[in-house]
Amino acid sequence: DIQMTQSPSSLSASVGDRVTITCRASQSINRYLNWYRQKPRKAPELLIYTASSLQSGVPSRFSGSGSGTDFTLIISSLQPEDFATYYCQQSYSPPYTFGQGTKLEIK
Amino acid sequence: QVQLHESGPGLVKPSETLSLTCTVAGGSISSYYWYWVRQSPGKGLEWIGYIYYTGTTNYNPSLKSRVTISVDTSKTQFSLKLSSVTAADTAVYYCARANHGIEYWGQGTLVTVSS
Repeated sequence: DIQMTQSPSSLSASVGDRVTITCRASQSINRYLNWYRQKPRKAPELLIYTASSLQSGVPSRFSGSGSGTDFTLIISSLQPEDFATYYCQQSYSPPYTFGQGTKLEIK
Repeated sequence: QVQLHESGPGLVKPSETLSLTCTVAGGSISSYYWYWVRQSPGKGLEWIGYIYYTGTTNYNPSLKSRVTISVDTSKTQFSLKLSSVTAADTAVYYCARANHGIEYWGQGTLVTVSS
């Protein structure tokens, strides 16, 4: 299985801050990397697919980059609804594993 | 707008089989990959497996011996069966549709394994 490791596991920030979350794969996954936001007691929602493509309807403050084993999610200016948990997921090779999550909390 | 809805028992006894159905509304079940994903209480996400509308399946090796996913295109439904459950299978189970990433999710249903 491909292991996905996110960092940090948690982070505190303020509304308006720029935030970066990273995801590392245990082997190359080309650009088959997706990012999700999960609000409490809700299903995850797709933000970014194939590393850098913005899902329809997702605000432009979200952006993704990377290829191979190292990937980044950037939120350019945090909004109140962004305080949630973020997951990366590889869709290169089954089983399509997720990272352990990054919990973004209000400072 | 595509909507997915999970249904099935919320409580299953140890050693029995967990059975869930996902009903797809607002879109065809033909094309796309249809997933099951679960999340244990307070934990991260675990991919269980997928079925393509043709019936092709792929399962997580960690669950493969116990999982069956099937599809009924006439009812626009797909189903999950997980046999010989234990307390470790207690989780919120999500059905979902994947194309580029998992783009549509059901609301999730909590299944508790307990006697």
